[in-house]
This record gives sequence, structure tokens and C-alpha cells, in this order.
Amino acid sequence: AQKITQTQPGMFVQEKEAVTLDCTYDTSDPSYGLFWYKQPSSGEMIFLIYQGSYDQQNATEGRYSLNFQKARKSANLVISASQLGDSAMYFCEYGNNRLAFGKGNQVVVIP
Amino acid sequence: DAGVIQSPRHEVTEMGQEVTLRCKPISGHDYLFWYRQTMMRGLELLIYFNNNVPIDDSGMPEDRFSAKMPNASFSTLKIQPSEPRDSAVYFCASSQGQDTQYFGPGTRLTVL
Repeated sequence: AQKITQTQPGMFVQEKEAVTLDCTYDTSDPSYGLFWYKQPSSGEMIFLIYQGSYDQQNATEGRYSLNFQKARKSANLVISASQLGDSAMYFCEYGNNRLAFGKGNQVVVIP
Repeated sequence: DAGVIQSPRHEVTEMGQEVTLRCKPISGHDYLFWYRQTMMRGLELLIYFNNNVPIDDSGMPEDRFSAKMPNASFSTLKIQPSEPRDSAVYFCASSQGQDTQYFGPGTRLTVL
């Protein structure tokens, strides 16, 4: 079974600074996708960014970018220019025929 | 589109009662997922459907849980009988192919 690991404890980030959230996974599948979701305190799950395992370039979506290192099996999320509204839990998901979510990273942005 | 719709948003029930959670996926999506989220266990995939057919139900905790998808626009997750340890937020999500999942607002279930 695929295993997703997000081990960082809760993080405090200064507004306007960048933050990197770690995600590693364990798989033998040749093809898969990696997703990041944001869950603010209100509870909804919001899709942020997607990386395909065969994509040549790292995915970017506005202030979100993925540092994808296939050989290391890591897909770290980078949030640039943090805003107060970025305070939330962030989940990494592995997607293929089996799906797996990490335990999440808590981010608190402080002014 | 209105997004994934779940009802009820909150449910409080007593142990032993039957609970039915409902989900309407985004129109045109062919995958539907049911998740459970707790502080202790995080986000767990319970079951998912493709074209109304259950594909993987290995995450369903036990026989007390059942899920159906009678048509492309409706799914239910039923717990009978409910127990206090079933208290959690239950999310429904849908996707087009094995692409980005769009989550509903969740149902917060409390079993007393």
C-alpha cells in the first residue's frame, strides 16, 4: 500500500515569507499523481496543485509551487509570499488506483 | 456548478441509531469518493465508485458501514447501528477521471 509521510510539526510563518511543506511517499507504481489540498479552520478541503509523475517540469499555480524530486520520492509544497489567509492544514495526497493522504501540516501565518 | 453537495451538514444521533449521509457529485464527474476525518486517524478513504460501481471498499471499517450509488448524481453512506467511535467529519468528493478531487463541505457526525 502507498504510504504518504508529512512529518513536520506545526509551523509558524511570518507574513510575506515563503514556507516549504514536506511530503514523501513510498510507491512502486511507474505512473501516479501527487496533489496538495488546503483545509482552513472552516473545514472545507480545497485543491491547490497537482504534479504528474511524468511531468517534466515542477507544477506551479500562482503562489503555490511543487518541488518534485521523483528519485527521492518527495513532492514538497512551496507557498511564496505567505498571507494570513494561508493559515490552515495542508494535506499531500498520492493518487493512482490506490489513494492515500498524509496526516497534514499545520501552518499558522503571523503578521 | 454548485460543487459537491452533502447533507446533512451536522448530525447528532444516539448510539444504535441508523445514520444516512447523502452526497450529490459535480455533474459529469465519473468518480465519487467517501472519506472520514478524525483527529486521531486523519483523512481516511472509505470507498470510491467509478460510473456508479464500487471499485474499492477496503477502507470501510466494518459491516455496519455501507455505501450505495444508485445513479450518477446521488450516493449514500449508511451506518447501522451507529457507535460513538463513528463520530467524525465525513467528506464526499468527486472527480473527472482520476484527476483532481473536489470535496463537499463535509458532514459532522456526532454519536452520543
